[in-house]
Amino acid sequence: AQSVTQPDIHITVSEGASLELRCNYSYGATPYLFWYVQSPGQGLQLLLKYFSGDTLVQGIKGFEAEFKRSQSSFNLRKPSVHWSDAAEYFCAVGAGSSNTGKLIFGQGTTLQVKP
Amino acid sequence: GAGVSQSPSNKVTEKGKDVELRCDPISGHTALYWYRQSLGQGLEFLIYFQGNSAPDKSGLPSDRFSAERTGGSVSTLTIQRTQQEDSAVYLCASSSLRDREQYFGPGTRLTVL
Repeated sequence: AQSVTQPDIHITVSEGASLELRCNYSYGATPYLFWYVQSPGQGLQLLLKYFSGDTLVQGIKGFEAEFKRSQSSFNLRKPSVHWSDAAEYFCAVGAGSSNTGKLIFGQGTTLQVKP
Repeated sequence: GAGVSQSPSNKVTEKGKDVELRCDPISGHTALYWYRQSLGQGLEFLIYFQGNSAPDKSGLPSDRFSAERTGGSVSTLTIQRTQQEDSAVYLCASSSLRDREQYFGPGTRLTVL
């Protein structure tokens, strides 16, 4: 069955430091992968997605992620974190026969940014 | 343009009552999804509608949960005989076949007393 694991429940980084949030997935075929961000009291906003092609994808707000098939990973990175990046981050894999169906989400990683 | 809207934003009900949650997807989006977000379970898929195809109901937790989508647009999620464990934020999303990105609404926070 498809699944997504985000090993880090909570991460704290200093403002200006680099960030990497880990995501591992389990999926039989080529996955459709997503990272979403949820700020307190807000809905989910898509940061970036991978469907095919270049394995390094760029997203909004200076985020990028790299798809590594050999490691079943899709880690999210940002070179310099801003205080406004404090939020909860969800990795997801698109499941279903054509990858247009439901999303399977990881448990989320809460990011705290220290001044 | 307008995003996905959901109503009500908050709903407090008593155990045993029925509730209806509404979702208005983005105009032209053929796919509509319902998810539930709770502290203990994270984000869970509930049900998925795609055009005129039979919905994927594989995520509905019990037969107390049902959903319909009228005219390929608005959707209503109904929970009958609510239980305290139904308390959660219910999220709706829609997508087009072209870009497959799911756009989420703000959610309905359901509290069952």
